[in-house]
Amino acid sequence: GAGVSQSPSNKVTEKGKDVELRCDPISGHTALYWYRQRLGQGLEFLIYFQGNSAPDKSGLPSDRFSAERTGESVSTLTIQRTQQEDSAVYLCASSSHRGRDGYTFGSGTRLTVV
Amino acid sequence: QQQVKQSPQSLIVQKGGISIINCAYENTAFDYFPWYQQFPGKGPALLIAIRPDVSEKKEGRFTISFNKSAKQFSLHIMDSQPGDSATYFCAAATGNQFYFGTGTSLTVIP
Repeated sequence: GAGVSQSPSNKVTEKGKDVELRCDPISGHTALYWYRQRLGQGLEFLIYFQGNSAPDKSGLPSDRFSAERTGESVSTLTIQRTQQEDSAVYLCASSSHRGRDGYTFGSGTRLTVV
Repeated sequence: QQQVKQSPQSLIVQKGGISIINCAYENTAFDYFPWYQQFPGKGPALLIAIRPDVSEKKEGRFTISFNKSAKQFSLHIMDSQPGDSATYFCAAATGNQFYFGTGTSLTVIP
C-alpha cells in the first residue's frame, strides 16, 4: 500500500484480556518500529525490527509485551493480561534502507483498557 | 535517559507570529535531525529534516537552525497560521535508530 496501515484503529478491551495489534509497513521497507504514545505524552520506543536481524526489544516495558515480524512484512504487537496503564495509542513506523526521509508513521491503534 | 530534550512543552502564538521550538542532544553519533508534525488522531508526519553538515535548512515557512557545537537545533515557523496548530516532535537519528523529543503542543490563535 501507499502508507503504513495499522489495525484496528480503535480497540477497547477488558483488563486482563490479551490484545493483538497489527502493522502493515510500506512495501519494501526493511525497518519497522513500534512506539507507545500516552495521552499528551511523547513517543515511547518499544521495539525495532531491521530485516532478518534480531529485533531490538530494549523498549518493551514488561514481559507482557511481545512483537513479531516475519521477514519484511506484517508485524504484530501482542499485549498479554492488559492493564489500565496500557491504555495509549500504539504507533507503527517503517523506513527504507535507502533514506531516512522515508520514515513513515501509521495512524496508530488507540487502545483503551477498561 | 531522554536522548533528545525538547522545549517548550506547549506554545501559544498569535497568527502571523514566529513559533520557535528547541531541541538539544548529547550523542555526537547522531547524523540526522528531523521534525515531525502530528495532528489529533493521526500519526506524526515528516515536516523537515537536516543533516549536521549544514547550519540551516528552509522549506517554505519552516526553517531548521542547527548548532553543531552547542548540540542544539530548533524549528522556526514563520507567519504562523491556525492550521499549524499541532504537536511537533524533534528527533535525532544514528543509522536507523530514532530518538524523539517529548513534543510541543503549538496553538496558533487567529
